[in-house]
Amino acid sequence: SQTIHQWPATLVQPVGSPLSLECTVEGTSNPNLYWYRQAAGRGLQLLFYSVGIGQISSEVPQNLSASRPQDRQFILSSKKLLLSDSGFYLCAWRDSGIRETQYFGPGTRLLVL
Amino acid sequence: AQSVTQLDSHVSVSEGTPVLLRCNYSSSYSPSLFWYVQHPNKGLQLLLKYTSAATLVKGINGFEAEFKKSETSFHLTKPSAHMSDAAEYFCVVSEERQLTFGSGTQLTVLP
Repeated sequence: SQTIHQWPATLVQPVGSPLSLECTVEGTSNPNLYWYRQAAGRGLQLLFYSVGIGQISSEVPQNLSASRPQDRQFILSSKKLLLSDSGFYLCAWRDSGIRETQYFGPGTRLLVL
Repeated sequence: AQSVTQLDSHVSVSEGTPVLLRCNYSSSYSPSLFWYVQHPNKGLQLLLKYTSAATLVKGINGFEAEFKKSETSFHLTKPSAHMSDAAEYFCVVSEERQLTFGSGTQLTVLP
């Protein structure tokens, strides 16, 4: 069976500090990987998706970046956090074939002060 | 372009009464539609999905949804609410391998 992990679970960071959130998937190969952000009281916004190692597509301009150094590892980063980066960050994976269902990780709650 | 509208941001029901969470969508193609549930500070869990098979889809925990193309709707229902159903629910449409989320409906279940 497949599992998806995210860490840390919660993070409090000062404005201007760097960020690194990690997501790993087990039990599947060559998944499509996604980063979403959920701001308070809002739905989910797609930030990045990746169809393979080193292949990143960005959906919204912002001070965040993503990388995929290994097949089942997806990292969300920032060099300098903004207050507006606070939110709940969710990683998701889906099969690279025709099935469309995405499966979500437990999320990371980020508070920027 | 695809879009999803969840018609109610908050729904409150009494335990044991029916649940109806409404969702309308727009899509250029024959869409795949999903309902996800999110409990506080948790990730999203898939409740059910429609992928052009039967229009009445049964999911986990007694939930079901009916795809109505003529009304472009995919409402989520449950005959009898349980306290553990209190959560936020997202209607989602899939097109070209990407998901578009509705803004969510917060379900409160009163004792």
